[in-house]
Amino acid sequence: DSGVTQTPKHLITATGQRVTLRCSPRSGDLSVYWYQQSLDQGLQFLIQYYNGEERAKGNILERFSAQQFPDLHSELNLSSLELGDSALYFCASSRLITDTQYFGPGTRLTVL
Amino acid sequence: DAKTTQPPSMDCAEGRAANLPCNHSTISGNEYVYWYRQIHSQGPQYIIHGLKNNETNEMASLIITEDRKSSTLILPHATLRDTAVYYCIVRPQTGANNLFFGTGTRLTVIP
Repeated sequence: DSGVTQTPKHLITATGQRVTLRCSPRSGDLSVYWYQQSLDQGLQFLIQYYNGEERAKGNILERFSAQQFPDLHSELNLSSLELGDSALYFCASSRLITDTQYFGPGTRLTVL
Repeated sequence: DAKTTQPPSMDCAEGRAANLPCNHSTISGNEYVYWYRQIHSQGPQYIIHGLKNNETNEMASLIITEDRKSSTLILPHATLRDTAVYYCIVRPQTGANNLFFGTGTRLTVIP
């Protein structure tokens, strides 16, 4: 158990819908990262937050957005969902910006 | 962009040492070598990391060559639970901390 929690574990929704994935970092960690793992793309970095502020952006679609709240938990919002958004979404956290990242168990999103 | 090269798959007998190689010939002086593994569809699990010196922890040992162009992750006594995809990742000490996961090595531990 890494100490990073993610909810929900599974999510099934329809195309065009919007969903929110939630991540709670390890106690004391200030930085949160989101990654997407699909069958054809592998594990890809989406976005990083540090102490509430966006620090780095990767291959994140405009339909996706994220934020980190004052209590340091983070949410990833996915809208206008498409079949291709079906994937595992992982959250990771680290104490400081450049420290080792520890991953949560992931949320499996299925878009029908 | 991929900065590492790993064999796509390897087998190892249970109880034997598993040696997983990684090539990172373009590594810079300020870049770490990190190893993670992913068991089935679970979240990637941190194993070990190093800069120049060899490192050991309760999970594994990391051997980095003197020129730092390659490294080997050693699982001293592989068990069936070590069957996973192992990722070798090069990451700078400062600046961007996003990890680039390549295709990794699928290690299968055989009873």
